[in-house]
Amino acid sequence: EAQVTQNPRYLITVTGKKLTVTCSQNMNHEYMSWYRQDPGLGLRQIYYSMNVEVTDKGDVPEGYKVSRKEKRNFPLILESPSPNQTSLYFCASSLRLAGSSYEQYFGPGTRLTVT
Amino acid sequence: AQSVTQLDSQVPVFEEAPVELRCNYSSSVSVYLFWYVQYPNQGLQLLLKYLSGSTLVKGINGFEAEFNKSQTSFHLRKPSVHISDTAEYFCAVSRWGAAGNKLTFGGGTRVLVKP
Repeated sequence: EAQVTQNPRYLITVTGKKLTVTCSQNMNHEYMSWYRQDPGLGLRQIYYSMNVEVTDKGDVPEGYKVSRKEKRNFPLILESPSPNQTSLYFCASSLRLAGSSYEQYFGPGTRLTVT
Repeated sequence: AQSVTQLDSQVPVFEEAPVELRCNYSSSVSVYLFWYVQYPNQGLQLLLKYLSGSTLVKGINGFEAEFNKSQTSFHLRKPSVHISDTAEYFCAVSRWGAAGNKLTFGGGTRVLVKP
């Protein structure tokens, strides 16, 4: 089954304790990205990756890191989490459609609480 | 840069009644348009997309949307809703040729279908 998986699905942590949220896709997509969802703000892109070893910032990259060492994996790293990073996080991977458009497939989400 | 405004944060509607969710966008260049649905405690699922061609787009679960370039709108409609349509709906745009294929989301519209 084609899918995007994220782990963990739920995480409660304390300020300053480094954490990693994993993301994996089995569709051989080149493009992957991370979003955070906050009430009333919709989803905002944190980082994206066009291919292995190619990453760039989205709209809200502060406090986050990513890496893309393999095509299927795109982990999100919070080196020193703070309470304002409490949010629902989604990983997505993309299939290229006609022209320059992409269709994004979303993972199930990771709910992070930083106390 | 583009932006998306969903004019209603919440829409209560009775079962079997029609519903319209409004979405307006701003962009200085041409865009692709999407509607996603998020059921409670789940990830995002693509409802429909407009890439080019006919301005009336049909999606899954009986939803349709109409692209109006002059009004920069992409409103979502369903003629008769079911209890199972209770969810949050997100309008999103992607700029033609955008590096990183960023989706810009609206703030979301919560639909509550009442029996």
